[in-house]
Amino acid sequence: NAGVTQTPKFQVLKTGQSMTLQCAQDMNHEYMSWYRQDPGMGLRLIHYSVGAGITDQGEVPNGYNVSRSTTEDFPLRLLSAAPSQTSVYFCASSFGQASYNEQFFGPGTRLTVL
Amino acid sequence: ELKVEQNPLFLSMQEGKNYTIYCNYSTTSDRLYWYRQDPGKSLESLFVLLSNGAVKQEGRLMASLDTKARLSTLHITAAVHDLSATYFCAVVRGTYKYIFGTGTRLKVLA
Repeated sequence: NAGVTQTPKFQVLKTGQSMTLQCAQDMNHEYMSWYRQDPGMGLRLIHYSVGAGITDQGEVPNGYNVSRSTTEDFPLRLLSAAPSQTSVYFCASSFGQASYNEQFFGPGTRLTVL
Repeated sequence: ELKVEQNPLFLSMQEGKNYTIYCNYSTTSDRLYWYRQDPGKSLESLFVLLSNGAVKQEGRLMASLDTKARLSTLHITAAVHDLSATYFCAVVRGTYKYIFGTGTRLKVLA
């Protein structure tokens, strides 16, 4: 199993550009989530999904969209990038819909918005 | 609003010593998670604590949960250099919303 994969690893955007961060898992996990990690602030939940077709907002959803058309994929879209979205983004997944299981994290995407 | 606080934020300790990292959270939660992150890397799950009084141990690390005190501890026994990393605790708001602490950066000195 590849586990949780994310692409790209690094990305530089200009203010106002849009892009999609890709996340995929091959463990048949129902729960998937996106976080951003900023220095000194830990991880903050952006959006999550408990299964195909079901998504919901986390702590910091503004400026980001998600969709979940398949169990495997959970892309994160930045509609109009802003410097405040410069961060490291992590995707995670876990087995089942309830939060009783450990989350597996992807390697991260380091995003810089100029 | 659920807040998760860790202390200390930074910890420098000698090899062979014992120490404890504390994780306090502000509202009721019966599930708590500990993760490890090496510099420039992703997060690795260490422990999942699912009930009051839960205690789990893996090698030199032992985690416990007191839901009444809203407190979890991560105890390090006879620290070694390989334990140098940042440690995060996280709790769940509702069913699915994970809230992370700001992390404790641990440096073990030879």
